[in-house]
Amino acid sequence: QSVLTQPPSVSAAPGQKVTISCSGSSSNIGDRYVSWYQYLPGTAPKLLIYENNKRPSGIPDRFSGSKSGTSATLGITGLQTGDEADYFCGTWDSNLSAGVFGGGTKLTVL
Amino acid sequence: EVQLLESGGGLVQRGGSLRLSCAGSGFTFRNYAMTWVRQAPGKGLEWVSGISSLSGSTYYTGSVKGRFTISRDNSKNTLYLQMNSLTAEDTAVYYCAKDFRGDYHAFDIWGQGTMVTVSS
Repeated sequence: QSVLTQPPSVSAAPGQKVTISCSGSSSNIGDRYVSWYQYLPGTAPKLLIYENNKRPSGIPDRFSGSKSGTSATLGITGLQTGDEADYFCGTWDSNLSAGVFGGGTKLTVL
Repeated sequence: EVQLLESGGGLVQRGGSLRLSCAGSGFTFRNYAMTWVRQAPGKGLEWVSGISSLSGSTYYTGSVKGRFTISRDNSKNTLYLQMNSLTAEDTAVYYCAKDFRGDYHAFDIWGQGTMVTVSS
């Protein structure tokens, strides 16, 4: 059972928009920055969003992040088949004194 | 080129030990906190352990406390994870990652991963 809760899967058609939620608590998301990663098993995770809504260089603006209270959201617009992957949110938990990830959300581009 | 390269994974019996290494290059290793993250077969990412830039602070997820030890040698640009009393639940791909913001939430550079398999 992950500390951060994500939907197991989401799907949308190419060109459409999708959002992925990440729910936590006051000791993690409510108190800390959130990051988002794209992950294909067997490859290195890729940082998409850090500090809730900032994109590292090279990440297209189709990817966006937001945070409100104890929840965060990743948005992806203009979906492409290449976006099919697992997406994870992450943050620090001050009660656990440890990093935490969500359980991951599998994105299917239909 | 900025990169991290893990090594040291392999097959080990339950109760055994392994030491993972992660060599950094292309950036000033000593300036950054570092983290280990793992992915067990069929599971998601799990944060395992983190260490501050000068080794003053170390952190662990609950399931590895007392069994794993993170350390670093900034003179060798290398991060380590000593894993003792291994169980089947430790079977995973282990990734090292660079924490570019210093607060253990944003990891911008990752290694390719090293597989650890614990057999019973």
